[in-house]
Amino acid sequence: AQRVTQPEKLLSVFKGAPVELKCNYSYSGSPELFWYVQYSRQRLQLLLRHISRESIKGFTADLNKGETSFHLKKPFAQEEDSAMYYCALSGTGGFKTIFGAGTRLFVKA
Amino acid sequence: GAVVSQHPSWVICKSGTSVKIECRSLDFQATTMFWYRQFPKQSLMLMATSNEGSKATYEQGVEKDKFLINHASLTLSTLTVTSAHPEDSSFYICSAPRSQTYEQYFGPGTRLTVT
Repeated sequence: AQRVTQPEKLLSVFKGAPVELKCNYSYSGSPELFWYVQYSRQRLQLLLRHISRESIKGFTADLNKGETSFHLKKPFAQEEDSAMYYCALSGTGGFKTIFGAGTRLFVKA
Repeated sequence: GAVVSQHPSWVICKSGTSVKIECRSLDFQATTMFWYRQFPKQSLMLMATSNEGSKATYEQGVEKDKFLINHASLTLSTLTVTSAHPEDSSFYICSAPRSQTYEQYFGPGTRLTVT
């Protein structure tokens, strides 16, 4: 069964500290993995996707097929990074996307 | 970037009445749209896939007679909550993928409160 697991509901770090939001997935084919972010009072928006291999707002994520993981990382967290982060998987049929439970990141000053 | 709108942004209705929520892709055509439900402090639960010109595909456990979906054009999908009850109160969000990418563009959501 297709599944996306984000084990941490809440992650709290100090400004300037490294941050890693974990994501593991279960999928039999070749998935497309995404990280979406929802800032306070804003709509959900794409942060990055694995095929782009790019860094957005200092965040990177590497797809590890062996470990079926797609962890989101940033070396130095900023207060404006505080938001809800969702790991998502597509390729399950059409454009359907499955979301993880989400991790709330809180960056303290 | 692509824009998806929803209307209304919030609605309050009485138990037993029906409520229609619209989802529009403003600057692109979407043959497929998705409807989600989000409970407070919880993730998005995919309810159904809206297909232009054909029947919607519902996820397991979602009552198709309760949540009517119509995708009448390439830019509009509607979700009608029929005979609403207080337990239907939630935040409903739609999304649409643009072109052949799997990236989803999300609407701002509609908060439904059933009294």
